[in-house]
Amino acid sequence: EPEVTQTPSHQVTQMGQEVILRCVPISNHLYFYWYRQILGQKVEFLVSFYNNEISEKSEIFDDQFSVERPDGSNFTLKIRSTKLEDSAMYFCASSEALQDRSLPFFGQGTRLTVV
Amino acid sequence: KNEVEQSPQNLTAQEGEFITINCSYSVGISALHWLQQHPGGGIVSLFMLSSGKKKHGRLIATINIQEKHSSLHITASHPRDSAVYICAVRSGTSGSRLTFGEGTQLTVNP
Repeated sequence: EPEVTQTPSHQVTQMGQEVILRCVPISNHLYFYWYRQILGQKVEFLVSFYNNEISEKSEIFDDQFSVERPDGSNFTLKIRSTKLEDSAMYFCASSEALQDRSLPFFGQGTRLTVV
Repeated sequence: KNEVEQSPQNLTAQEGEFITINCSYSVGISALHWLQQHPGGGIVSLFMLSSGKKKHGRLIATINIQEKHSSLHITASHPRDSAVYICAVRSGTSGSRLTFGEGTQLTVNP
């Protein structure tokens, strides 16, 4: 069964450093998403991406964050100048169509710990 | 008030019991999703509904658009069903984002 793959599974970084979280979506999917879940809290939408551009972003997704699809298979989330409050599980997801027309498939997540 | 509210927050059942998890939302939606989050953190999509009812194995999801309410039912529950069940909505004004509920922690004891 096709799956969304995220690397690394766990990343520890020092406050102020930049991190790049990587995702390989399912190959025929067109829509890509990043979500985050702070420990003990609900999942929150960060950004959606379609046709090589951001289609929607949340209030959380400020200038500290950026996304890129550098090579047609990977989908990355870059977090610049990390803060302690960026510590969370980050989930990548992909879907064939918009989320009201097809189920999103989620990766296993990257646990980011900022120290 | 949260846009998506789930009840109960925690649910403990005995193996074999019929389980119902509820979700209410306060906005107009184009779709409602039910997801399962495993103890290790991974998320699996279970259903996407815009009307009526869907069934997959022992899982049944229903939605009442007029009442802004959805239920997830699990028949003949099993310990492997133990997980967090999350309701999420895609609202018509929000484009592609999903807004998530807090989740319901289900524990099924043997």
